Amino acid sequence: IQMTQSPSSLSASVGDRITITCRTSQKINNFLNWYQQKPGKAPKLLIYTASNLQSGVPSRFSGSGSGTDFTLTISSLQVEDFATYYCQQNYGVPLTFGGGTKVETK
Amino acid sequence: QLRLQESASGLVKPSQTLSLTCTVFGGSVSSRAYSWNWIRQSPGKDLEWIGNIYDRVTTDYNPSLKSRVTISVDRSKNEFSLKLSSVTAADTAVYYCASSVLDYRNPMDVWGQGTTVTVSS
Repeated sequence: IQMTQSPSSLSASVGDRITITCRTSQKINNFLNWYQQKPGKAPKLLIYTASNLQSGVPSRFSGSGSGTDFTLTISSLQVEDFATYYCQQNYGVPLTFGGGTKVETK
Repeated sequence: QLRLQESASGLVKPSQTLSLTCTVFGGSVSSRAYSWNWIRQSPGKDLEWIGNIYDRVTTDYNPSLKSRVTISVDRSKNEFSLKLSSVTAADTAVYYCASSVLDYRNPMDVWGQGTTVTVSS
């Protein structure tokens, strides 16, 4: 299953609302997860099954979508949110990841 | 609280076999409650799922690597391992172990810190 994530990068300011999209090459029901990765660190699970917030993750993060089109939204960007974000499907094996979206400071 | 830690690997020569282990803390590698995964990330590139093991012996591998990969469990050491044979420079990457509840239909919610493997003569 191919994952197309967009944009590949974006520039934003603290307080901005940002949206990242992920499109899959076939329907995956809601088996879509979002991860955040900071330099030199492992990915961190943010959202699972398209819209469920992982425990301990701030509520400014949200996910939506179904079928083949999914979004990750950060309602008010904070300093600690500058990172790279990946979508990942776990509908079928091999598990696959999107190409990542790097969120940089404007 | 489950915690995972990859073994340090470092440098592997081309054509040799890469061997990594992931030690499980706060849980049992023998438990059928978890699936144990390996993922890698080449420098500046995408995340690539390598494979997993669950139900103690059932494995799934990425077809792109299947002919070279073996994932197994060592109950006596409470760890699981990755072996990747016939490595080339393209296998240079940061390798992560990760766990998910039951099987691949649940997200990988616990990750190790990652270990860097360089393939070079």
